[in-house]
Amino acid sequence: DTGVSQNPRHKITKRGQNVTFRCDPISEHNRLYWYRQTLGQGPEFLTYFQNEAQLEKSRLLSDRFSAERPKGSFSTLEIQRTEQGDSAMYLCASSPTSGRLANIQYFGAGTRLSVL
Amino acid sequence: SQELEQSPQSLIVQEGKNLTINCTSSKTLYGLYWYKQKYGEGLIFLMMLQKGGEEKSHEKITAKLDEKKQQSSLHITASQPSHAGIYLCGASKLGTMEYGNKLVFGAGTILRVKS
Repeated sequence: DTGVSQNPRHKITKRGQNVTFRCDPISEHNRLYWYRQTLGQGPEFLTYFQNEAQLEKSRLLSDRFSAERPKGSFSTLEIQRTEQGDSAMYLCASSPTSGRLANIQYFGAGTRLSVL
Repeated sequence: SQELEQSPQSLIVQEGKNLTINCTSSKTLYGLYWYKQKYGEGLIFLMMLQKGGEEKSHEKITAKLDEKKQQSSLHITASQPSHAGIYLCGASKLGTMEYGNKLVFGAGTILRVKS
C-alpha cells in the first residue's frame, strides 16, 4: 500500500494555458475525490468518482474544469485556459466502500498550482 | 460559506501543555472526521466519529462527539513539537446519514508548540 500519489507536486503556468494533474489512488479503493484548497481555508469539494462513474460535481467546477477516471483506477483533472484565481492546492483522496476502513478518505500530498 | 466552525483559529502552546480544539456545526453531524495537515502537504487521517457521545483516542490525541452530535472536540495531552500543524475537522453531508461522499471542512486550527 503506497498511499495516494499525485503528480506533479508543483506546477507553474501562465494564464491561459491548459494544465493536467494526475492522481493514483490506493489500489482497490473504488471512490476517488478531488478537492481544492486555498491558503487559510479547508479543502473544498470539486468532484468524486465511484469506479469510472463521476457521481457528483461541485458548482465550483466550471466548464473549464474536467475530470476523468477512465478505467476506474487513476484519475486526471484538467483545467483549460487557466486564470490566476485557479492558483491553489489540488488534493486527491480515495476511499474504500466496504470493510473496516469504509468511507475514510485518504489524501495525497497535493499538486500546488501557481498561475502567473 | 463554511458550515463547520473551528475554534480557535490558531494557538501557541508551550511543550508539555494540554490543549483543546473545537468543531461546531449548526446541523447534526453523522460522520465527523479529524485530519492533520503540515503546511503545503496533504491531509493525514486521525479519527472518525459517528455516534453521539463517542470518544476515540490515539496516542496522546482524544476526539469526542457530543451527545447532540453538533460539536466535536480534539484534545491533545502533553503537547510535543511533533503535534504542530493544521488540524481540520470534516463532515459528510451535514444533517443526513449519507456517508462516503463529499466532505465539508472547517477552516482549520493552526497549532504551534514552543519547545
